[in-house]
Amino acid sequence: AQRVTQPEKLLSVFKGAPVELKCNYSYSGSPELFWYVQYSRQRLQLLLRHISRESIKGFTADLNKGETSFHLKKPFAQEEDSAMYYCALRYPNFGNEKLTFGTGTRLTIIP
Amino acid sequence: KAGVTQTPRYLIKTRGQQVTLSCSPISGHRSVSWYQQTPGQGLQFLFEYFSETQRNKGNFPGRFSGRQFSNSRSEMNVSTLELGDSALYLCASSLTSGASSPLHFGNGTRLTVT
Repeated sequence: AQRVTQPEKLLSVFKGAPVELKCNYSYSGSPELFWYVQYSRQRLQLLLRHISRESIKGFTADLNKGETSFHLKKPFAQEEDSAMYYCALRYPNFGNEKLTFGTGTRLTIIP
Repeated sequence: KAGVTQTPRYLIKTRGQQVTLSCSPISGHRSVSWYQQTPGQGLQFLFEYFSETQRNKGNFPGRFSGRQFSNSRSEMNVSTLELGDSALYLCASSLTSGASSPLHFGNGTRLTVT
């Protein structure tokens, strides 16, 4: 079964320091991976997805099939980055295209 | 464009009762998915509807059911409520039912079962 693991429930980083939120998945093949973010009192929203290869709010994420990882990174943390982050994956064309979420990492940026 | 709207925002029910939650997707979106969010289990997939048909179903008992109407609005029903059903229920819509179509979430309905 497909599984997403976010090993850190809580992560605190000083403002200006680099951020890395870890995400590992189980399954071989070519999944589609996403990062969703939930800021305080806001709804869950898409941050980025690997097929877009984009940088959103300074965040990037690279799919590493060898290590089955999709870590989220930002070189310099900002206070507004404090939020709950969820890694999610979906396997297209398997007849089971549900989005599976990790348990999330709460990121706190220390001023 | 209006976002995904879920009603009601809060519900309090007692064990054994049933409950119906409603979700209005973003205009033009034809796929609606439902998730249960709890502190212990995180976000768990319930089911997905596309064009009034259930396409996928998660590992929840038959007490959890849903449907989608011709205008893409969706309802979720939970019968014979149990204490463990207390959770935030999130609805998400997407343009199509497919891996490349990102989900847009509503604010959720917080259900408390006493």
